[in-house]
Amino acid sequence: GQQLNQSPQSMFIQEGEDVSMNCTSSSIFNTWLWYKQDPGEGPVLLIALYKAGELTSNGRLTAQFGITRKDSFLNISASIPSDVGIYFCAGQGNFGNEKLTFGTGTRLTIIP
Amino acid sequence: GAVVSQHPSRVICKSGTSVKIECRSLDFQATTMFWYRQFPKQSLMLMATSNEGSKATYEQGVEKDKFLINHASLTLSTLTVTSAHPEDSSFYICSATRQDSNQPQHFGDGTRLSIL
Repeated sequence: GQQLNQSPQSMFIQEGEDVSMNCTSSSIFNTWLWYKQDPGEGPVLLIALYKAGELTSNGRLTAQFGITRKDSFLNISASIPSDVGIYFCAGQGNFGNEKLTFGTGTRLTIIP
Repeated sequence: GAVVSQHPSRVICKSGTSVKIECRSLDFQATTMFWYRQFPKQSLMLMATSNEGSKATYEQGVEKDKFLINHASLTLSTLTVTSAHPEDSSFYICSATRQDSNQPQHFGDGTRLSIL
């Protein structure tokens, strides 16, 4: 199946650093979502974006819906140990009951 | 708290066994649920869309006779892996969204299936 291109594939940072990751698609999506997955668990929703150009924050997380509707980025400021995990973007059509297309994931590791 | 419950969380069984995984939406109705499979260090890949009261829609390359999906009520979908083999070992995850809403999908905690 189709997957979205997500970069970087992995990141090794020190606590307190800012993080930026992005996601691109060859096709248009009307909804962009960012999820975090911890080992052995299902993805947990971080931010949902519904409008092209939209910039949304959730605490230290900020995400933007690209104006072309083919990309999105996620920033994490002042990283802390609990930010460790795998981050996935996902694109979707207009409605919540439509299927998601996931990105390839970004694995975030914090170096002590 | 969790809005989607998945059971069991882990299954270990012999080759040839059929395994049933349940996905329940808690305190909301879901006409549509989704089943994903995730191999180690990979992303989630959609297997099928489960529709309450009708047949599931399978993604290309997913065998419908191998992965049986039943969505008999608005709060429960089941995935049965029939005659499981070691290559079926994977992490299976379901998701659900509230009926007639634009709210994002919520995911279960997944089922780790290991076939010996």
